[in-house]
Amino acid sequence: DGGITQSPKYLFRKEGQNVTLSCEQNLNHDAMYWYRQDPGQGLRLIYYSQIVNDFQKGDIAEGYSVSREKKESFPLTVTSAQKNPTAFYLCASSWGLAARETQYFGPGTRLLVL
Amino acid sequence: AQKITQTQPGMFVQEKEAVTLDCTYDTSDQSYGLFWYKQPSSGEMIFLIYQGSYDEQNATEGRYSLNFQKARKSANLVISASQLGDSAMYFCAMRTPSIQGAQKLVFGQGTRLTINP
Repeated sequence: DGGITQSPKYLFRKEGQNVTLSCEQNLNHDAMYWYRQDPGQGLRLIYYSQIVNDFQKGDIAEGYSVSREKKESFPLTVTSAQKNPTAFYLCASSWGLAARETQYFGPGTRLLVL
Repeated sequence: AQKITQTQPGMFVQEKEAVTLDCTYDTSDQSYGLFWYKQPSSGEMIFLIYQGSYDEQNATEGRYSLNFQKARKSANLVISASQLGDSAMYFCAMRTPSIQGAQKLVFGQGTRLTINP
């Protein structure tokens, strides 16, 4: 089955620690995205990538970093510079960047700070 | 400004009734895409239906249809014959070339739909 997988489902971060969220897709999509969702809110874009080895900042990139070394993988690192990381993180992918292209989402990772 | 507005924070509907979830949008672009997603308590965002700005017919997908009124800038989701499994958060979203070259979706605040047996 084609789809998007995210791991882990739950992640706990200690103060000053960097953590990495995994996102893998086997849909052969070119574009991938990371969104953050806070309780009772819609989604906000953190980073996106159109092709391998290229990525762009979204609205709330501070305190986050990404890499795109393979087409199917787009991991997100939450660094210690992110002061309020507790949130639900969703990865998405699409064929391209046109307005008509549907973004499909993974199951999400819930990050909690200890 | 590119913006999506969902004015119904919560809705309660009896099972088997039809329900309409409101969505209005604001954009100056001529080409844009409108999307509805369902988010159950598990958290995953499930794509439901898409409407392109140049599509002349309203989109339909099974029990879901989109009531697209371009002049009024509204894109309401209609769910026919609601089921208990329809209970979830529903988000309206938009992609336009003006928003970072259509790289991102702009989401509304969502409507929490509860289906009562």
